Parts: sequence; structure tokens; C-alpha cells
Amino acid sequence: DTGVSQDPRHKITKRGQNVTFRCDPISEHNRLYWYRQTLGQGPEFLTYFQNEAQLEKSRLLSDRFSAERPKGSFSTLEIQRTEQGDSAMYLCASGGELFFGEGSRLTVL
Amino acid sequence: DQQVKQNSPSLSVQEGRISILNCDYTNSMFDYFLWYKKYPAEGPTFLISISSIKDKNEDGRFTVFLNKSAKHLSLHIVPSQPGDSAVYFCAASAQYGQNFVFGPGTRLSVLP
Repeated sequence: DTGVSQDPRHKITKRGQNVTFRCDPISEHNRLYWYRQTLGQGPEFLTYFQNEAQLEKSRLLSDRFSAERPKGSFSTLEIQRTEQGDSAMYLCASGGELFFGEGSRLTVL
Repeated sequence: DQQVKQNSPSLSVQEGRISILNCDYTNSMFDYFLWYKKYPAEGPTFLISISSIKDKNEDGRFTVFLNKSAKHLSLHIVPSQPGDSAVYFCAASAQYGQNFVFGPGTRLSVLP
């Protein structure tokens, strides 16, 4: 395990559908973060976990978004009833200095 | 209100010369700072960090300077190489390990 892995790398979906992204952090890292990035912008914080506890959620995380880290290892980010404005790169990072995965690109048609 | 600013959207530098990327922040509670490099279609790659107890940190060709009174930090890359061409983000946090706020990025182009 040499880095953070995210799946899927790309997801194209129709508006109104639900999507789920998975993140597997670096194994010894207790902290796990989700960020979102759109074109021309820096990553925007969504939420983070310390082990299985979700410690902070951004105002950006509407009630259509939910994140879990049930056993303190991998995490999932689910978006329900997707909207075109949800199209972005969803980035997962772990560790105190944020080692990022490759990201999951979402396109909502 | 943008708490972390990178006022130069782009920068071009000749290979072998110094690249200086700047970052300003407004929140005086920020005390831990990171720099990242990002290539297209990849996640950001961590480069270097600095905490507020220091004013300089070096790692190979990369040096970060922090001026707390001016709420300003900069990343120096010496010598610049074509492979350094990427978007660079600075990020700040009020406490190590908590939520980081990112700037909008500066696109660096290193010309051969």
C-alpha cells in the first residue's frame, strides 16, 4: 500500500441518480479528508474523519451528500439526486499533511 | 471572502532560473501551511510544509518562507526544471491535521 486510492476514477451519470465514491487511505493514517475541486479553483474542504468519527463537515456538504468511514479504514462519499452543479473532481486525502489520491471525476449530464 | 490568496494566476520562468510563487492569507489563526503541485488529471502532490514557529523550511530545490507579520508565504524553486511545470497550491490550517483552506493556484510554466 503505497498511496491513497480512489474508485472509480471517472463517473458519468444522469441528473437525479445517486453515486458513491470510495477512498482507501494510506493504512497507518488515522485522518481522512474529502475535498472537491472544480476547474480553475483550489480544492474545497468537504469533511474529515479521525478514525471512524466524522469531526467536521463543510457548509458545502448539503443533505444530499453523506460520508462514512465505518471501520476507520476506507471511506465512502455518496451523493444522492445528483445535480449538474455536482460535476467536479472529488479528492480524498489522508494523513496530517494531506496525501491525496488521484481523484474521482464526476460528470452529471 | 477568500482566506488564502494566490494573486498570480500564472508565471513563466526560464529553465535553470528561480521560480517564486506567492501566497497571502487573511486568517491570523492559521499556523500551519502546505504547498502542493498538481498535474492535469492527477491529485495534488504534497511538496513542503512550514509551521508558524519557523520562518523557513528547505527540501532539496524547494524552500518555503513564512512572514507571519505580513501574513505571506512564498515557495522558491531553484533551479527550475521543465518538469516543474504544473499548478501550485498553497494551503493553510489553524491547527495541524485539521481542515486546510486552499488558494486558487498558480500555473507555473518552466520554459526550456
